[in-house]
Amino acid sequence: AQSVTQLGSHVSVSEGALVLLRCNYSSSVPPYLFWYVQYPNQGLQLLLKYTSAATLVKGINGFEAEFKKSETSFHLTKPSAHMSDAAEYFCAALQGGSEKLVFGKGTKLTVNP
Amino acid sequence: DAGVIQSPRHEVTEMGQEVTLRCKPISGHNSLFWYRQTMMRGLELLIYFNNNVPIDDSGMPEDRFSAKMPNASFSTLKIQPSEPRDSAVYFCASRDRTGLNSPLHFGNGTRLTVT
Repeated sequence: AQSVTQLGSHVSVSEGALVLLRCNYSSSVPPYLFWYVQYPNQGLQLLLKYTSAATLVKGINGFEAEFKKSETSFHLTKPSAHMSDAAEYFCAALQGGSEKLVFGKGTKLTVNP
Repeated sequence: DAGVIQSPRHEVTEMGQEVTLRCKPISGHNSLFWYRQTMMRGLELLIYFNNNVPIDDSGMPEDRFSAKMPNASFSTLKIQPSEPRDSAVYFCASRDRTGLNSPLHFGNGTRLTVT
């Protein structure tokens, strides 16, 4: 069964610093991949999704993610963190032929002034 | 687009009581999912429907949990009787199955506290 691993349950960066949130998937066949963001007391919002059209995917709020098949990874990055980026981020995978989106445990991002 | 609408936002109830959570998916979406989020277990898929038909309920923890989707615009998740360990945030999400990788759209959740 597909699984998603997010390294680091908490990541802390300074405002203006690079944000790197890690995500690895388990299957040998690349799944469809997504990043979601959750702000306090809200539902999950889609940041970006990997569609196999391009390995570098751009999302909202300046985030992007790079799909690397050789590393079974889909890490999320943002060049310069903003205070408003403080939230919890979830990586998720949808295996072809399945409709069950599998989520990682989430990474809580703190941005320090 | 109003998004996925869940009610109530917060529910506090006593152990043994029946709890009903409600969801209105995005109009035109033909798949609906119920998730539960806790600190210990993260996001767990409880059940999902396609075209109002339950497809997979293997994530429903016990017989105390039941879900229905009587029409394309409404779904309920019921817990009877409720227990303190059911305390969690319950999310409803919907998607359009037309696209293979179309994303889920989540509601803002119902925070359930069972005392």
